[in-house]
Amino acid sequence: QSVLTQPPSVSAAPGQKVTISCSGSSSNIGNNYVSWYQQLPGTAPKLLIYENSKRPSGIPDRFSGSKSGTSATLGITGLQTGDEADYYCGTWDSSLNAGVFGGGTRLTVL
Amino acid sequence: EVRVLESGGGLVQPGGSLRLSCAASGFTFNTYAMSWVRQAPGKGLEWVSSITDNGGSTFYADSEKGRFIISRDNSKNTLYLQINSLRAEDTALYYCAVGGISTAGLASWGQGALVTVSS
Repeated sequence: QSVLTQPPSVSAAPGQKVTISCSGSSSNIGNNYVSWYQQLPGTAPKLLIYENSKRPSGIPDRFSGSKSGTSATLGITGLQTGDEADYYCGTWDSSLNAGVFGGGTRLTVL
Repeated sequence: EVRVLESGGGLVQPGGSLRLSCAASGFTFNTYAMSWVRQAPGKGLEWVSSITDNGGSTFYADSEKGRFIISRDNSKNTLYLQINSLRAEDTALYYCAVGGISTAGLASWGQGALVTVSS
C-alpha cells in the first residue's frame, strides 16, 4: 500500500485532456514539493514536473502540475498515443524522513 | 549531457550481499544530491535511499534501514549502494537518479541494474 494514492488507470481519446490525481497527507504532499514522472514501456522514468508545477527543459507545456492542500494533480492536454505510459507522483514524507511514490497510474490513449 | 550508468547487478543467493555502483558524468557531481529507486518486476517505483551532495547526510526507506548503505566518492563521480542480507523481495531493477525527491525532483535516471535474489 503506497503512502500516496493514485488511480490505477485513466484513459482518454487522442487530442483530449486527462488529469491524474495524487492524494497524500500533511506529512508529505501538504508540506513538501511534489514531482511527477513518466515511465514509457520498457524505459527508465523521466521527470515531467518538479516543485509542484515547474517543467524541466524539454518537457512540452501540454504537461502541467498543481497542488492544493494534501493533493496534487498532473494534467495532460492534447493527448497523443505516445503519451501512453505509467505516471508516478513523488514527494518527501517528513514523518517517515524518506521519499515516497504513488502507486502509479497507467494512461491509455484510446 | 548528463549521464548516469549503473553496474554491479546480478544473481545473488538469499542472505548474500551486493554493491551497486553508479558512474556519473556531464554535470558537477559534488553539487547534487543523489538517490536510488527500485522497481520490482511488474510493480511500481519504490524510493530506496538518498545522500546529500557532500555525503554528510543519508536517508533510507524504513524497509531498508540497517541492510542498505548508500555512499558516494566525489573524487570518482560515483554513487554506491551496498545491500546486505538480501531477500527475495529485494529482486528489482535498481535505478540511480540525480537529485533528491524533496527538492527539484529526480532529474536524470540511469537505465537500471537488475538484482535477482534466488537460490
